[in-house]
Amino acid sequence: ETGVTQSPTHLIKTRGQQVTLRCSSQSGHNTVSWYQQALGQGPQFIFQYYREEENGRGNFPPRFSGLQFPNYSSELNVNALELDDSALYLCASSLGTSSGGRNTQYFGPGTRLTVL
Amino acid sequence: AQSVTQPDIHITVSEGASLELRCNYSYGATPYLFWYVQSPGQGLQLLLKYFSGDTLVQGIKGFEAEFKRSQSSFNLRKPSVHWSDAAEYFCAVGTPNTGNQFYFGTGTSLTVIP
Repeated sequence: ETGVTQSPTHLIKTRGQQVTLRCSSQSGHNTVSWYQQALGQGPQFIFQYYREEENGRGNFPPRFSGLQFPNYSSELNVNALELDDSALYLCASSLGTSSGGRNTQYFGPGTRLTVL
Repeated sequence: AQSVTQPDIHITVSEGASLELRCNYSYGATPYLFWYVQSPGQGLQLLLKYFSGDTLVQGIKGFEAEFKRSQSSFNLRKPSVHWSDAAEYFCAVGTPNTGNQFYFGTGTSLTVIP
């Protein structure tokens, strides 16, 4: 059983550019959630995808968008990068979706994005 | 709105000593409560979770946590800390009214000295 994997590990972009981060969910998991973790902060929920549809979104602007593919892998896209987008981006997969996060989420190691 | 507070930004304990990490939440009803640990370069690993029932929850790596409704707290404890426990610890809250969203605290960094 493979765990959650994310790519790339590190990424450096300049302000105004666009970035795509990738996540492969744990085998058998059909739900993927994305989080942003700024330095010294706890993760903040960006959005969740379940069966290729967005299934909940946190307080992030529309320039943060996502996709989920039939194999349940997922992408996070961020347009018009700002300096404050510099953070660790975490992906978590789970089986099914339920209210309040009762289904255990398994996290990947994250992608460190630096915006200059 | 729901919120999670971890009052201690950083804690230092000696190896073998006991540990308690504090977590307080703000929510009108009983939330779903979680503790995660994050080591450098690693993702978050679930230590334990509480949904209902027995208020003392056992987790992995010898950790336990106690839900106290009257204090809106869910403190993490370990009787004897090992050097490998040095990491960042996050408390998280999920609620039936917030869909699939988790709210994380800002974390407590644990240093273990020999």
